[in-house]
Amino acid sequence: QSALTQPASMSGSPGQSITISCTGTSSDVGVYNYVSWYQQHPGNAPKLMIYDVSNRPSGVSNRFSGSKSGNTASLTISGLQADDEADYYCSSYTRSNSVVFGGGTTVTVL
Amino acid sequence: QVQLVESGGGVVQPGGSLRLSCAASGFLFSSYGIHWVRQAPGKGLEWVAFIRYDGSSRDYADPVKGRFTISRDNSKSTLYLHMDSLRAEDSAVYYCAKDWEVGARTFYFDYWGQGTLVTVSS
Repeated sequence: QSALTQPASMSGSPGQSITISCTGTSSDVGVYNYVSWYQQHPGNAPKLMIYDVSNRPSGVSNRFSGSKSGNTASLTISGLQADDEADYYCSSYTRSNSVVFGGGTTVTVL
Repeated sequence: QVQLVESGGGVVQPGGSLRLSCAASGFLFSSYGIHWVRQAPGKGLEWVAFIRYDGSSRDYADPVKGRFTISRDNSKSTLYLHMDSLRAEDSAVYYCAKDWEVGARTFYFDYWGQGTLVTVSS
């Protein structure tokens, strides 16, 4: 199972919005609405930010939103803040009854 | 407060074995499936294994099938990962992660431990 494709890095200024893409295939993202996103600050464990494509767990800021079109899922961070600087990983359930992650995107706040 | 604390990592030679533990607290451990997820240094996340809340079902990623065994002791609220025939490519930080939904396997990980580092090297 190949990893989902994410851009290696993205950046934005405070207050701006950025959208991270996550491209899979018709065996994962394209056929299931079981996409999630995780935020990981350096040296820390990942944190669940989005599940079921667009739902936020309790306590996650509404500046984070998710969507999906075809084989590509997206995470949008609005009103970028310094604390948003982190690595972001998408994941999807797959036809092989497993889960696959993206390679990760490093977000830098300029 | 949910806590997951991994232990047992270390340096092991190729072909060797290691057993990781994950001590859980702050939630009803016996009601949730638990996963192992690993992250090689500077790399992305990779799901490794899952065990159902009652231990009756286990799933493994293809790269570890036949070499790794996940188990749990609900009386001790502890998860284990026994790793045999270790390879260099198994070197990673190993996280235990709680499944999101009670009694199910959703592959959503809502709580993670801080991880334990396994290094396979001669």
